[in-house]
Amino acid sequence: EAQVTQNPRYLITVTGKKLTVTCSQNMNHEYMSWYRQDPGLGLRQIYYSMNVEVTDKGDVPEGYKVSRKEKRNFPLILESPSPNQTSLYFCASSSYRQGERPTNEKLFFGSGTQLSVL
Amino acid sequence: GQNIDQPTEMTATEGAIVQINCTYQTSGFNGLFWYQQHAGEAPTFLSYNVLDGLEEKGRFSSFLSRSKGYSYLLLKELQMKDSASYLCAAMDSNYQLIWGAGTKLIKKP
Repeated sequence: EAQVTQNPRYLITVTGKKLTVTCSQNMNHEYMSWYRQDPGLGLRQIYYSMNVEVTDKGDVPEGYKVSRKEKRNFPLILESPSPNQTSLYFCASSSYRQGERPTNEKLFFGSGTQLSVL
Repeated sequence: GQNIDQPTEMTATEGAIVQINCTYQTSGFNGLFWYQQHAGEAPTFLSYNVLDGLEEKGRFSSFLSRSKGYSYLLLKELQMKDSASYLCAAMDSNYQLIWGAGTKLIKKP
């Protein structure tokens, strides 16, 4: 089954304690992205990756890191979480390829991670 | 700047027809997406329009006018399971998605 697997589903942590949210896709997609979703603000992109070893900042990258060492995995790292990073996080992937004209490369989303930083 | 506008909330009765509007301003345009998101769940793809006109897919249809920077999602024969948020997203010239804040569709009892 084609899917994006994101873990954990729920996470409660304390300020300053490093954490990683994992994301893996089995569709051989080159494009992967991380979003956060807060009430009234919609989806905001944190980082995205067009392919292995290629990552770029989205709209709200401060306080986050990512890596793309393999095509299937795109972990999100919070080195020193703060309460303003409490949010619902989604990983997503699509078949979009850089340099090609897009033709309905819809995003496949993971099930989300509800993070609370105390 | 780039911007997407859609109503925050709409209400409708079962069996009704609902139209959710979306206006966008982007640097370049490579298509408009609609996603459905149930509370606490991930968004799921509904439709993609890049040419003007109406695309019909069962009870759901999506319309695009590029000259007006306008799209709408039309839901027919509203069902209980349609109670969700509907997200509009436009793709700009850099192939990045600009997201609206979503429209929460509430079914009237």
